[in-house]
Amino acid sequence: EAGVVQSPRYKIIEKKQPVAFWCNPISGHNTLYWYLQNLGQGPELLIRYENEEAVDDSQLPKDRFSAERLKGVDSTLKIQPAELGDSAVYLCASSLGRTPTDTQYFGPGTRLTVL
Amino acid sequence: AQSVTQPDIHITVSEGASLELRCNYSYGATPYLFWYVQSPGQGLQLLLKYFSGDTLVQGIKGFEAEFKRSQSSFNLRKPSVHWSDAAEYFCAVGARGTYKYIFGTGTRLKVLA
Repeated sequence: EAGVVQSPRYKIIEKKQPVAFWCNPISGHNTLYWYLQNLGQGPELLIRYENEEAVDDSQLPKDRFSAERLKGVDSTLKIQPAELGDSAVYLCASSLGRTPTDTQYFGPGTRLTVL
Repeated sequence: AQSVTQPDIHITVSEGASLELRCNYSYGATPYLFWYVQSPGQGLQLLLKYFSGDTLVQGIKGFEAEFKRSQSSFNLRKPSVHWSDAAEYFCAVGARGTYKYIFGTGTRLKVLA
């Protein structure tokens, strides 16, 4: 069974440029999460989807970040414009259900470097 | 609000030695507790989890963890470390009734041959 797929794995951009990250969750997983992982830190939740609905985006900086999960499968996270402080690893995770006892499976992440 | 502390940023052990990684949490009740491992360039992989019941939990790759309510701890252990265990380990806490995990800052394990 394929795991969570993310692309690109690495992205280098200049500040003020837009960037997008793509995530394909494990087949059949209804819940999808985007996390931000700064260097030397643990992941922090940005947004959580149940099917196509964003049920918690309270930690998403909405002035520059946006996300979508059309058709309740793949998801895209966008930053526009990117700032130097956005350099981090962006992780996508998925789970079968929506309770905290459902194991979250993580993708390899996208490492973003903003110059 | 819940929080989690991993006091050790780096730990170095010799191959074949035993390992214990510390995790302390702050929460008003018994939380959900998790240990994840992250190898370089890889996503986080769940090692084990605790929700209730037996306080000694067995996980994958020979790891185990013990929930100690009196100490608010959930330490990860392995009796004999292998070179392939070198990675970063994250403890996470989840509040009952929510889906949110709070991750610790991680402990980077180095294994000496």
